[in-house]
Amino acid sequence: AQSVSQHNHHVILSEAASLELGCNYSYGGTVNLFWYVQYPGQHLQLLLKYFSGDPLVKGIKGFEAEFIKSKFSFNLRKPSVQWSDTAEYFCAVNADNAGNMLTFGGGTRLMVKP
Amino acid sequence: EAGVAQSPRYKIIEKRQSVAFWCNPISGHATLYWYQQILGQGPKLLIQFQNNGVVDDSQLPKDRFSAERLKGVDSTLKIQPAKLEDSAVYLCASSLELGLRGYTFGSGTRLTVV
Repeated sequence: AQSVSQHNHHVILSEAASLELGCNYSYGGTVNLFWYVQYPGQHLQLLLKYFSGDPLVKGIKGFEAEFIKSKFSFNLRKPSVQWSDTAEYFCAVNADNAGNMLTFGGGTRLMVKP
Repeated sequence: EAGVAQSPRYKIIEKRQSVAFWCNPISGHATLYWYQQILGQGPKLLIQFQNNGVVDDSQLPKDRFSAERLKGVDSTLKIQPAKLEDSAVYLCASSLELGLRGYTFGSGTRLTVV
């Protein structure tokens, strides 16, 4: 079964700092990749997704992610974070042998200091 | 477009009691999912429906959990009897029939078992 690892459990940044959150998965076949954000007290919202094509994916709110197949990675980046980016971020993978099931990482809690 | 509706928003029960959660997916979404999100972890799929049929319930603890989607629209997830370790947020999601298009999560029901 596939698994998803998010190595940074907690990240604290100051406003305007650059962000990179790591995501690695363990599956050798074809995958669809997602990043979700969960603001305090709110539901999961899709930030961006990769199905095929350009491995550099741009999402909402200035976020982007790069799929590096050789490294089984899909890291999330933002050049300059804002206080409003304080949230929990989840990476998720859909493997081609898993139907529509999403396997989530454990999440990274980001705190941005004003 | 209305989102995925879930109720109740919060529920507190004593162990060994029973509880039920309700989900109404986005109109036209044939596929419905129930996920369990334990505090500090990513969501984990419990069961997936395609219309009113079960596609995948391999991770559903069937001795105490049950779910149904009788008319292929809204769905109910039940726990009977509840255990302390069932304390979690129960998320419902839905998507269009083909693949992962439109995958949308509801706000969830936060269950506390005391």
